[in-house]
Amino acid sequence: DTEVTQTPKHLVMGMTNKKSLKCEQHMGHRAMYWYKQKAKKPPELMFVYSYEKLSINESVPSRFSPECPNSSLLNLHLHALQPEDSALYLCASSRGTGRYQPQHFGDGTRLSIL
Amino acid sequence: DAKTTQPNSMESNEEEPVHLPCNHSTISGTDYIHWYRQLPSQGPEYVIHGLTSNVNNRMASLAIAEDRKSSTLILHRATLRDAAVYYCIISSGAGSYQLTFGKGTKLSVIP
Repeated sequence: DTEVTQTPKHLVMGMTNKKSLKCEQHMGHRAMYWYKQKAKKPPELMFVYSYEKLSINESVPSRFSPECPNSSLLNLHLHALQPEDSALYLCASSRGTGRYQPQHFGDGTRLSIL
Repeated sequence: DAKTTQPNSMESNEEEPVHLPCNHSTISGTDYIHWYRQLPSQGPEYVIHGLTSNVNNRMASLAIAEDRKSSTLILHRATLRDAAVYYCIISSGAGSYQLTFGKGTKLSVIP
């Protein structure tokens, strides 16, 4: 069991749909992250939120829109995705954004775009 | 970002120690060395981290070379549950903590 909860675990959507991925943590962490992981590849950082403010956007296309409504919640809004966006989307959190802070990961949402 | 080099795969017998190497010759003086692992169908899991000195925790030990250009993750007694991809990561970023994952080492544990 992980302390970072991601919902849904699986999502299938068409290219014209709008959906959202949700991530929740109750460890009091003030940094939260979204990663994308393609099959048999390492995770790649997408976004970093620090104290509910977006601090890093790794040149992610605008069809991915992150949101951090409060310190415990992180959403990823999806719109007009492409088949190549099919991947495992991982959320993580850490106490802060110092270089020594371990990150705690959820088990991800497996997204399939039809 | 400091680049890491790890073997693609390694094998170990169950209940034997495992030494997973990582080279990071371009590491800078304030970069931390982190190890994460990813079991099948799960998100990555933090294992251990260090700066200059060797580190121990309940999961593993981290041995860091004196020049910091390489490190070794040591699992003292491999179990079947330790079969995973192990990532050696050098932290980067001046203001925020970013994990740049390399390809990692896939560890197989033989019963």
